[in-house]
Amino acid sequence: RKEVEQDPGPFNVPEGATVAFNCTYSNSASQSFFWYRQDCRKEPKLLMSVYSSGNEDGRFTAQLNRASQYISLLIRDSKLSDSATYLCVVKRTDYKLSFGAGTTVTVRA
Amino acid sequence: DADVTQTPRNRITKTGKRIMLECSQTKGHDRMYWYRQDPGLGLRLIYYSFDVKDINKGEISDGYSVSRQAQAKFSLSLESAIPNQTALYFCATSETPDRAPRELFFGEGSRLTVL
Repeated sequence: RKEVEQDPGPFNVPEGATVAFNCTYSNSASQSFFWYRQDCRKEPKLLMSVYSSGNEDGRFTAQLNRASQYISLLIRDSKLSDSATYLCVVKRTDYKLSFGAGTTVTVRA
Repeated sequence: DADVTQTPRNRITKTGKRIMLECSQTKGHDRMYWYRQDPGLGLRLIYYSFDVKDINKGEISDGYSVSRQAQAKFSLSLESAIPNQTALYFCATSETPDRAPRELFFGEGSRLTVL
């Protein structure tokens, strides 16, 4: 079983729609969680950290469910510029980072 | 200019050739990493270095070697390239003072094709 699993998508949504997707992790002792964004053929960039109580950053909301071992990302009022691959990243107990393969989101006009 | 610079950005080579990918950074970070990315797989850690005198193997170090020539420079070598090393390679840096990396800053990537 992969340490971090994501639905690869693609999630095709119209502008203005809400899109949400999850990421599951296998190690219940994992400590920290992040979402990175990767544009096509570009480098990943940190989108946001995920806090235990959930957190928002503008149109983006991240949630953590430790009991079920998943994190989620919700994008409200989708923009064309939100089209990207979103990488789920989990910090392991040895402090290294495990990356999911990514969920692709395509926002259409 | 990018804070983390990788060269070359694209390289096509043949099986058995020696290849070096170079990374330099102007962020002043102590910690540097090499990852590879393959379709359908997450980024996988090849090697990492916490300072000039510190080199550590990652998950998939076989077939690779690294050199930390200076705080700002970290190079990855493939001594004898093979086709399954065809991938997108990323260098990254982080500044976290404790053992736990938070934000990684990635270079723009080096796409390597081994024929």
